[in-house]
Amino acid sequence: GAGVSQSPSNKVTEKGKDVELRCDPISGHTALYWYRQSLGQGLEFLIYFQGNSAPDKSGLPSDRFSAERTGGSVSTLTIQRTQQEDSAVYLCASNRGGYYEQFFGPGTRLTVL
Amino acid sequence: DQQVKQNSPSLSVQEGRISILNCDYTNSMFDYFLWYKKYPAEGPTFLISISSIKDKNEDGRFTVFLNKSAKHLSLHIVPSQPGDSAVYFCAASGGSNYQLIWGAGTKLIIKP
Repeated sequence: GAGVSQSPSNKVTEKGKDVELRCDPISGHTALYWYRQSLGQGLEFLIYFQGNSAPDKSGLPSDRFSAERTGGSVSTLTIQRTQQEDSAVYLCASNRGGYYEQFFGPGTRLTVL
Repeated sequence: DQQVKQNSPSLSVQEGRISILNCDYTNSMFDYFLWYKKYPAEGPTFLISISSIKDKNEDGRFTVFLNKSAKHLSLHIVPSQPGDSAVYFCAASGGSNYQLIWGAGTKLIIKP
């Protein structure tokens, strides 16, 4: 079956612009995670959605970052007024919930000039 | 405050020999640990895991060892193959929400 997909694969933007990153989880997966990986760093947790529960936003680095998950499926991560330090690979993962193993998409590489 | 640490940014091993990747953690509440492998331009893929009730788990060429008293786990790959060249991440969980805390990764290079 289809895995987690993310779009775009690459995004180059100018400082101060807004960007939207999209994640399509595996069908039937109720849990969805967003991570950020900066150069040479590990995966930094951003936000977690589980079913209809309120999302865990504890990892969002500033109020410029927000995420939505519509209909329990597709998720969009929005970064407003992008800064150069936002440059990173943004990874999305999903699972059935109640499991440790997460299935990852290929990521979106964001470059802010 | 890094709760999961992979202190070796990179490791080079001869093909056919054993690769040993290490991971240390600080939170004694962690009770499940996972190793992921990541190739460039791809997302991480699950490799092997271990529960804190065990001290060893084996899957083919991959074995994970857990030393709870030392808060240390290691991944052994025997024998190492060129396709094993990748970045390896250690992750840990201890909450009821199944969220994972990740190490910074170790880049493994297998030399032919």
